[in-house]
Amino acid sequence: ETGVTQTPRHLVMGMTNKKSLKCEQHLGHNAMYWYKQSAKKPLELMFVYNFKEQTENNSVPSRFSPECPNSSHLFLHLHTLQPEDSALYLCASSHRFQGSETQYFGPGTRLLVL
Amino acid sequence: GDSVTQMEGPVTLSEEAFLTINCTYTATGYPSLFWYVQYPGEGLQLLLKATKADDKGSNKGFEATYRKETTSFHLEKGSVQVSDSAVYFCALLKNQAGTALIFGKGTTLSVSS
Repeated sequence: ETGVTQTPRHLVMGMTNKKSLKCEQHLGHNAMYWYKQSAKKPLELMFVYNFKEQTENNSVPSRFSPECPNSSHLFLHLHTLQPEDSALYLCASSHRFQGSETQYFGPGTRLLVL
Repeated sequence: GDSVTQMEGPVTLSEEAFLTINCTYTATGYPSLFWYVQYPGEGLQLLLKATKADDKGSNKGFEATYRKETTSFHLEKGSVQVSDSAVYFCALLKNQAGTALIFGKGTTLSVSS
């Protein structure tokens, strides 16, 4: 599945570092999402963007900063993270319309904060 | 609030065994229901979906029927293969603007030959 790509696939960073995760969708969708998958916990929604506008922020700490320059690209900027932020970060996209919509996921970035 | 409950895993089966993974949901209105699968080291892949009551989603030999009367969406497969070993997630989506998927905790399936 190459519809949604994410880079890097793996990232190790110290608590004082600044890094960015990138997501790109090639499906012509107009909504993009960031989810966090931690061990032993359900997937948690972080942010939702519709037509480049942020429409949902699920009480995410400010050390995570999303950016959506256009409908095809989504970034997650990271700074001064904590070890408990280590997780798999998944990007998804969908086509917004009235009614059901299917979200398609990228392979994820596995982040380790030391 | 809205929620999804899946059976606790892991589920361990022999090849060609019958699989059932239970999923029930709590939601107002008429959500869409999904099963996603996550293979080791990968992201989530859509397995199947159903958008209204009594719909049956199916893919790769897996099936699930949207049962509104029991608020369930159980996943079944008649004969599992070793390659089906993965984590399976049940999820719901409220059919309104600005909403995201609500996932269950996932059920790990391990199939041995």
